[in-house]
Amino acid sequence: GEDVEQSLFLSVREGDSSVINCTYTDSSSTYLYWYKQEPGAGLQLLTYIFSNMDMKQDQRLTVLLNKKDKHLSLRIADTQTGDSAIYFCAPGGGGYQKVTFGIGTKLQVIP
Amino acid sequence: GAVVSQHPSWVICKSGTSVKIECRSLDFQATTMFWYRQFPKQSLMLMATSNEGSKATYEQGVEKDKFLINHASLTLSTLTVTSAHPEDSSFYICSASRVAGGTGELFFGEGSRLTVL
Repeated sequence: GEDVEQSLFLSVREGDSSVINCTYTDSSSTYLYWYKQEPGAGLQLLTYIFSNMDMKQDQRLTVLLNKKDKHLSLRIADTQTGDSAIYFCAPGGGGYQKVTFGIGTKLQVIP
Repeated sequence: GAVVSQHPSWVICKSGTSVKIECRSLDFQATTMFWYRQFPKQSLMLMATSNEGSKATYEQGVEKDKFLINHASLTLSTLTVTSAHPEDSSFYICSASRVAGGTGELFFGEGSRLTVL
């Protein structure tokens, strides 16, 4: 099965950029998602990238994909305290296929 | 965006009782729903895939007689934890996929926290 690895914790100061990294093993992953989970809540889709893309930018979010190295990153520009949450990397296929979640990276934003 | 609602959001029950959790897609039809379990400070573990009108597909190690899943309509899937025990205490989250594929986006419910005394 797919293995997804992420660092557990990241702390940044408000206004700085945050970069959350993820590595995965299944090269057939078609869609690679980033989800955000606030305490006690469900998951919110932040953004995703197709496997045939290298980069996707969506306002403050930039996703970079290195398909050769199976490495995915999420950059949050001008990080705000409201960005404090757990971020899950989740490679997968289409909507009917299983998505595998990483363990999640807890982002702490220091005011 | 699309809305998936779970009910109840929090439930406390005695050991040995059964608990039903509902997952509804409020503004779209979902032929497929997924049930996850999340332990504290851990990732989501897929328990089963629920397909409307057919039996659910369970992941390895998940007891199908313990966790009963019913997907009776295109907008509702239920998870029943039968004869719950303290080790079943967890955060259960469902997700739903639109009928019309699209981007393959999964919409998640807010989760249901089960505490078994």
